[in-house]
Amino acid sequence: KNEVEQSPQNLTAQEGEFITINCSYSVGISALHWLQQHPGGGIVSLFMLSSGKKKHGRLIATINIQEKHSSLHITASHPRDSAVYICAVKNNYKLTFGKGTLLTVNP
Amino acid sequence: DTAVSQTPKYLVTQMGNDKSIKCEQNLGHDTMYWYKQDSKKFLKIMFSYNNKELIINETVPNRFSPKSPDKAHLNLHINSLELGDSAVYFCASSQDGSHYGYTFGSGTRLTVV
Repeated sequence: KNEVEQSPQNLTAQEGEFITINCSYSVGISALHWLQQHPGGGIVSLFMLSSGKKKHGRLIATINIQEKHSSLHITASHPRDSAVYICAVKNNYKLTFGKGTLLTVNP
Repeated sequence: DTAVSQTPKYLVTQMGNDKSIKCEQNLGHDTMYWYKQDSKKFLKIMFSYNNKELIINETVPNRFSPKSPDKAHLNLHINSLELGDSAVYFCASSQDGSHYGYTFGSGTRLTVV
């Protein structure tokens, strides 16, 4: 079993829908990261969380440390949100990654 | 200005060759990393340097040798390349204690033929 599990693996949505991607982890962490990788391959850091909730534009990330669970929400999804979303947990200097969620938003 | 720049972007080489990938960051970050993304798109840490000192060395063949001449640079040298080394290699940097996450380079797609 991976230390970081994401669900779903693949997600297809219609433009405008509310999206939720989940991440569960089984190790102690100092922070949790949500990353976005576009089809072109570049990786962008979306959020770094150690507690609570963060919001940036239409993206919201939450973390529950006790339950070892985080969610990434996208409100009013748009085709340009289509990408792979990757959850990663940080322990000391090491990032351990989930396998990613491929999101496709259709117009 | 590119924050984390990797060169080359693409590298095609024959088995047995030795090659290097360079990485530079202009963010003043203390820590730099090399990650490998395999054909299934799974990312895995290879090395981490903090202020030029090696702090993480995951289970990586010793054909891979990182070199950090200063804290703004972390290069990756690979000896005797094998077919299984074909992957995308990402350099990244971060600043401890920062509220910001990691900054990634654009990746180097290595193809060994």
